[in-house]
Amino acid sequence: AAGVIQSPRHLIKEKRETATLKCYPIPRHDTVYWYQQGPGQDPQFLISFYEKMQSDKGSIPDRFSAQQFSDYHSELNMSSLELGDSALYFCASSLAGSWQFFGPGTRLTVL
Amino acid sequence: QKEVEQDPGPLSVPEGAIVSLNCTYSNSAFQYFMWYRQYSRKGPELLMYTYSSGNKEDGRFTAQVDKSSKYISLFIRDSQPSDSATYLCAIPIQGAQKLVFGQGTRLTINP
Repeated sequence: AAGVIQSPRHLIKEKRETATLKCYPIPRHDTVYWYQQGPGQDPQFLISFYEKMQSDKGSIPDRFSAQQFSDYHSELNMSSLELGDSALYFCASSLAGSWQFFGPGTRLTVL
Repeated sequence: QKEVEQDPGPLSVPEGAIVSLNCTYSNSAFQYFMWYRQYSRKGPELLMYTYSSGNKEDGRFTAQVDKSSKYISLFIRDSQPSDSATYLCAIPIQGAQKLVFGQGTRLTINP
């Protein structure tokens, strides 16, 4: 069965640089969620989109923005990167807010 | 107070043992309770979910909810080395638009 696809899987950036993470949901899923997981931490909700509209917002810094496109894929844009942004970033998708299925994650390292 | 609390462990048991993983939650209005399994460097994988109180069994796994004490449990029977992972309890908040996770319990099953 098709799963959530995230790219890139690994990303290394310098401080103050910009990063873009991409998420391709499971086919026919209309809702996308972004989570950040620091080392040894549980995933923290950042933001979600339903039918291309932002549906909920969590602890997402102002330096981050995200959107969902007409094909339902989503991108998380991160600017002015800080060392503390180093983490695993997970995307999850669901159909109309039902069970969330997670992607493999993007490991972001900020040097 | 965090909405969901979980003992991070680590927990190490011999193969074949019965494992008990537990979480407590703060809001008595919560109705759905989930358990995710996360292998190292992978995304969380939905293992089981329960609605309201009671037990739910799936093979060697049993999920239990006690709403009177706001306590949720996951039992693993006949534990196998392949069960070694981090187990996260999770509760959907605000109409399932985001998941709030416990800290995760790192479990190791020793052959």
